[in-house]
Amino acid sequence: GAVVSQHPSWVICKSGTSVKIECRSLDFQATTMFWYRQFPKQSLMLMATSNEGSKATYEQGVEKDKFLINHASLTLSTLTVTSAHPEDSSFYICSARKIRDSTYTYEQYFGPGTRLTVT
Amino acid sequence: EDQVTQSPEALRLQEGESSSLNCSYTVSGLRGLFWYRQDPGKGPEFLFTLYSAGEEKEKERLKATLTKKESFLHITAPKPEDSATYLCAVQASGSARQLTFGSGTQLTVLP
Repeated sequence: GAVVSQHPSWVICKSGTSVKIECRSLDFQATTMFWYRQFPKQSLMLMATSNEGSKATYEQGVEKDKFLINHASLTLSTLTVTSAHPEDSSFYICSARKIRDSTYTYEQYFGPGTRLTVT
Repeated sequence: EDQVTQSPEALRLQEGESSSLNCSYTVSGLRGLFWYRQDPGKGPEFLFTLYSAGEEKEKERLKATLTKKESFLHITAPKPEDSATYLCAVQASGSARQLTFGSGTQLTVLP
């Protein structure tokens, strides 16, 4: 199997505070993890790619100083939303890449998501 | 630019009424096409990976097929528990990391 967990599953915070979300691959090592954001009835929007031991790569339009990503080990990546505002309220989903073979075709397994509400 | 288009946006079926979901794609060389199932408030659940035209994969009532321009997810004799949003994604050659997702098909199976 390939199981990815996220913690917390939901969080409510006040505007101006920071929130940390953890993503863990439970039964495989993941050198690369991804962070997505999903709005209601919309598809997943890639925010950043997290590589173990190096800086994250952010997609265009995503503020790297606001969404801090740390890939501390082969099984853990964290997303910190700094100085959160109501517009940051969303469903955040992480995924971990499990390399299938040497051709770099891989399967991506998703966590259960974290619902962030900023009041 | 890689593009993935899924149709229909929403589909309502009676239990036992078979149908197909479509995923059309435009990529600069396809490394892999992926199907996921997503239930409300949850992360996507991996279903299939298809690598080349002509390939087919099956899992219970689901069967995924791939051509050079599109993929189909066939649902045979669906049950209410098959209700979910089905997402299609592609990985392009030269892109060793990210997937491009379609907007999904919301499937509702009525008892």
